[in-house]
Amino acid sequence: GDSVTQMEGPVTLSEEAFLTINCTYTATGYPSLFWYVQYPGEGLQLLLKATKADDKGSNKGFEATYRKETTSFHLEKGSVQVSDSAVYFCALSDLPSGTALIFGKGTTLSVSS
Amino acid sequence: DVKVTQSSRYLVKRTGEKVFLECVQDMDHENMFWYRQDPGLGLRLIYFSYDVKMKEKGDIPEGYSVSREKKERFSLILESASTNQTSMYLCASSSEGEANTEAFFGQGTRLTVV
Repeated sequence: GDSVTQMEGPVTLSEEAFLTINCTYTATGYPSLFWYVQYPGEGLQLLLKATKADDKGSNKGFEATYRKETTSFHLEKGSVQVSDSAVYFCALSDLPSGTALIFGKGTTLSVSS
Repeated sequence: DVKVTQSSRYLVKRTGEKVFLECVQDMDHENMFWYRQDPGLGLRLIYFSYDVKMKEKGDIPEGYSVSREKKERFSLILESASTNQTSMYLCASSSEGEANTEAFFGQGTRLTVV
C-alpha cells in the first residue's frame, strides 16, 4: 500500500541555518504531495503542496520539489527562524486509493537563537 | 475564515466509559476524517466519511465507531474506552474528488483514559 517515510528527528538548528527534512513515498498511482506543519498546541496546517512531477511548492520561505524519479519531496528552507520550531509532516493523497491523506511519522524541528 | 472545530481540547474519561468526540466544519466539505496522533507513530487514520450517513474504515478502526447524520458534523465514538486509547485525536475535512485538495484540521482533542 501507499506509504510515506520521513527522516526521524528531532532536528536541532541554530537560527539562520539551512534546513532539509527528507521525505520519500511509495504510491500505486500519481499522488499529490503535501507538507503540513503543527505548531505547539495547535492542529495541522498546510505548509505547501505539489500535484505533479517536477512541481515546486513554496510558502513562508519553505520549498519542496516533487521528484518522481527518486519518489521524494524533501522540505528545505535557506534560513530558519525560532518561530519555525514545530513538527513537520510529509503526506500524500493518491486518488486511486481514496482521498484520505497518508502521513509520515513527523519530524520535530527545534530552532534556537 | 474556514474552520474545523472540535468540541473539547482536553478530556479525561474512565476505563469502560462511552466517549463521544465531536467535530464540526463550516466549509460545506463532503469529506471528513478522524485521525489519532501518537509520538513516534505520526497520524493514523481511524475512520472517514465521503457523505452523510456514509463511513469507511481507516487503518485502525478497532474500538471505534463514527456517526455522520449531518454534512457538517462527524462524531467519533469510543464504545468502551480503554487506556490504550489515550491519545491526541484530530478531525479534518476536505472537499470532494480531487487528490490535490487541501485538508483542514481542527485543533485536536487530547483524551486521557484512566
